[in-house]
Amino acid sequence: EPEVTQTPSHQVTQMGQEVILRCVPISNHLYFYWYRQILGQKVEFLVSFYNNEISEKSEIFDDQFSVERPDGSNFTLKIRSTKLEDSAMYFCASSQQPSGNTIYFGEGSWLTVV
Amino acid sequence: QQPVQSPQAVILREGEDAVINCSSSKALYSVHWYRQKHGEAPVFLMILLKGGEQKGHEKISASFNEKKQQSSLYLTASQLSYSGTYFCGTPIHAGGTSYGKLTFGQGTILTVHP
Repeated sequence: EPEVTQTPSHQVTQMGQEVILRCVPISNHLYFYWYRQILGQKVEFLVSFYNNEISEKSEIFDDQFSVERPDGSNFTLKIRSTKLEDSAMYFCASSQQPSGNTIYFGEGSWLTVV
Repeated sequence: QQPVQSPQAVILREGEDAVINCSSSKALYSVHWYRQKHGEAPVFLMILLKGGEQKGHEKISASFNEKKQQSSLYLTASQLSYSGTYFCGTPIHAGGTSYGKLTFGQGTILTVHP
């Protein structure tokens, strides 16, 4: 079964450093998302992306965050200057359609900011 | 505004049944159910798209009461593999078009013991 793949699975970074999390969505999907889950808390929406632009973003997704689809397969999340509170599991997800459709999650990238 | 799940936690013995509820103070246009095991990505269970819809797969089924703005997930004859945190997610925009912005409930921790 097709799946969303993410790299790295775990990254430790120093506060203030830039981090790029990478994702390969399912190949025939058109809508891409990043979600975040702080340890012990629920999954939170960060941003959705369609047709090479952001469709929607949450309050969490401030100027420190950016997303990009640099080529036909990768979808990246960049955090410019990481803060301690950015430590979380970041999930990439994709779907064929935006609503009423299954959103498939990747395995997640665990980011630890020290 | 996030949907509210109840109960917060359930402890079962193998073979017992459980019901997890998801309700919203705002109109629900669709409900997505996911199960997440510790340290793993949320795994899609099912979507309910319209009032009165019921779906099921093996011993896990769900219903959607649009008028009551709630959905229930039914787990019958539970197995050890059912253990995990169950989340309901709802799009919050009118008509359900949300570009994948699901707002998740706080989760229900289900533990199945032998």
